[in-house]
Amino acid sequence: QVQLQESGPGLVKPSQTLSLTCSVSGGSITKGGYYWSWIRQHPDKRLEWIGYIYHGGLTYYNPSLKSRVTMSMDTSKNEFSLHLRSVTATDTAVYYCARDISGPSDPWGRGAQVTVSS
Amino acid sequence: DIQMTQSPTSLSASVGDSVTITCRSSEYIGTYLNWYQQKLGKAPKLLIYSTSSLQNGVPSRFSGSGSGTDFSLVITSLQPEDFATYYCQQSYSPPRTFGQGTKVDFK
Repeated sequence: QVQLQESGPGLVKPSQTLSLTCSVSGGSITKGGYYWSWIRQHPDKRLEWIGYIYHGGLTYYNPSLKSRVTMSMDTSKNEFSLHLRSVTATDTAVYYCARDISGPSDPWGRGAQVTVSS
Repeated sequence: DIQMTQSPTSLSASVGDSVTITCRSSEYIGTYLNWYQQKLGKAPKLLIYSTSSLQNGVPSRFSGSGSGTDFSLVITSLQPEDFATYYCQQSYSPPRTFGQGTKVDFK
């Protein structure tokens, strides 16, 4: 059974880069047919899809964040990462990683709270 | 982006009730509509994908229907563990977008 777990700093200063890693167990991130996504939930509970990465380097980023987002994969560690540059308070959210099965996301990680504050 | 609008934003119900949540998309999405359940402090959990297909392990009291732009989630005979927030999501066209959520709580 595939499980995902986010890790990274819980506090990031404004203008810096938010970096999170998602460790995947129980299945390989190189398995065909699966995309690996990041989704965030704002304090008002609104869900925002950030984008996905597919093995081989294919990515799709939400146009609203595209200028600040980079995703990458480390197949040797079976993990993928999110980097969000130039953060502001509006980037404060719970960040989830998830497996995207050609549309719906399942399963999700437990989530990582990230607060942007000086 | 395709906008997803759920109604109601919240509803109160009792154990044993049947409840319906609707979701409308701003554009045609075929049947590329998914439903998630989120309990307090937990990650969303996939309930239904492609409008009406139940994810493994999801009880049959959950059902989904619709196509095009109008969709619904029905929970028959509400159980105590069903009190949660429900989100719809379209996966027809990236970026994937979610509804604002519908909170189901105790009457």
